[in-house]
This record gives sequence, C-alpha cells and structure tokens, in this order.
Amino acid sequence: NAGVTQTPKFRILKIGQSMTLQCTQDMNHNYMYWYRQDPGMGLKLIYYSVGAGITDKGEVPNGYNVSRSTTEDFPLRLELAAPSQTSVYFCASSYWAGELFFGEGSRLTVL
Amino acid sequence: DQQVKQNSPSLSVQEGRISILNCDYTNSMFDYFLWYKKYPAEGPTFLISISSIKDKNEDGRFTVFLNKSAKHLSLHIVPSQPGDSAVYFCAASGNGNQFYFGTGTSLTVIP
Repeated sequence: NAGVTQTPKFRILKIGQSMTLQCTQDMNHNYMYWYRQDPGMGLKLIYYSVGAGITDKGEVPNGYNVSRSTTEDFPLRLELAAPSQTSVYFCASSYWAGELFFGEGSRLTVL
Repeated sequence: DQQVKQNSPSLSVQEGRISILNCDYTNSMFDYFLWYKKYPAEGPTFLISISSIKDKNEDGRFTVFLNKSAKHLSLHIVPSQPGDSAVYFCAASGNGNQFYFGTGTSLTVIP
C-alpha cells in the first residue's frame, strides 16, 4: 500500500548542480502534481499533469521541468540549482481533480 | 498574490472544546474547497471538502462551512482531541486542475 513515493527524502545541492526528484504512485491516478512549500508559506504549484504525455505549468514553474511518460511516474528536474529553490517539495496524485494524495516530501537545500 | 488566505498562523484550544479554523479567498471563480491536515515531516492528508453548491459538509467531528458571499470558509472540529494538533491548510480550485493553498494554521489542542 505504497501510495505516493518520493525520492530522495533529503538532498543538499551546490549552486548550478542539477538533479531529479522522483515521484511514483501506484493508485493508477490520472492527475499528478508537484508543489513546493517554503517556511511559513502555503504550498505553491510548480507543475501538474492530467495524464501520461500531458503536463502544464502551475504558479511557480521557473527553474523546473517535468515529464510524464507513464501514468505512474512524474519526475521533477532542476537544471541549474539556485538558493531560491531551497524548499520542501511534495508530489501528489489524484484520481480526479479533487482529493490529492501527497507523498512524504523531499527536503532540498541549495548552498 | 495569495488567493487563499489563512490569517491565523496558530490556534490553541482545550481538549474537548471546539476548534474553528478560518480561510478566506479572493477568486470568485473558485468552486471547490478542501481542508488538509499536516503533521511534521509528513505530507498533507485530506480531511474534508465542500463544493460551492453546498454551504455545509460534515464528516464525523469535522464540519466545513462555506459562505460564498463573504468568500469565507471555516473548519469546525468538535470535540477537539490532542491528536488533532497539526497544521491545517485550506485549498481552493476553480478549474479542477490547479489547487491554491493557504499558508496554514497550526492547531494545538491542550490536554
């Protein structure tokens, strides 16, 4: 009963490095999302997908890329890490555009 | 531009009493609202939702009220229990694809 699985849970990056946050769901959900949460702030939508092969920008997409080649996977790519990308990242999925199921989060620090 | 606002960062309530968490929104196109609960180091978990065709929805100890004219919703927890201590986020959507989250209210239930 895995639900939404995110890896890694913690990562420290140097400025300019790149990395991919992995997200997998086993609930056969069509919708998947990436959010970031900064201290004292709400969750901001980075990108979302309504199905395999379809992605769209959210509120704060700059500096990130996504792909959705399968229903299960929705990786988030940071190409040139910047200190402003230090945050906690949450992946979520939903069967329809309603209740979101979240992963446990990935804490990223860029130094 | 915060479209969903939770103006109380924190709330303390005695065990057994009612907890009332408030949320305001600015976008009149929002028609679906959700409340999430978040424990430290975990992802948010869905609590309860309401669509704009209703003004109240109940689920056990949790009731959400929606006042569309005031663009305001509230979450009532009765009776409050120590296990309810967490951060509560409200979220809103107008197109079913993008959910906008508030900044959260940290609830402490005192035994």
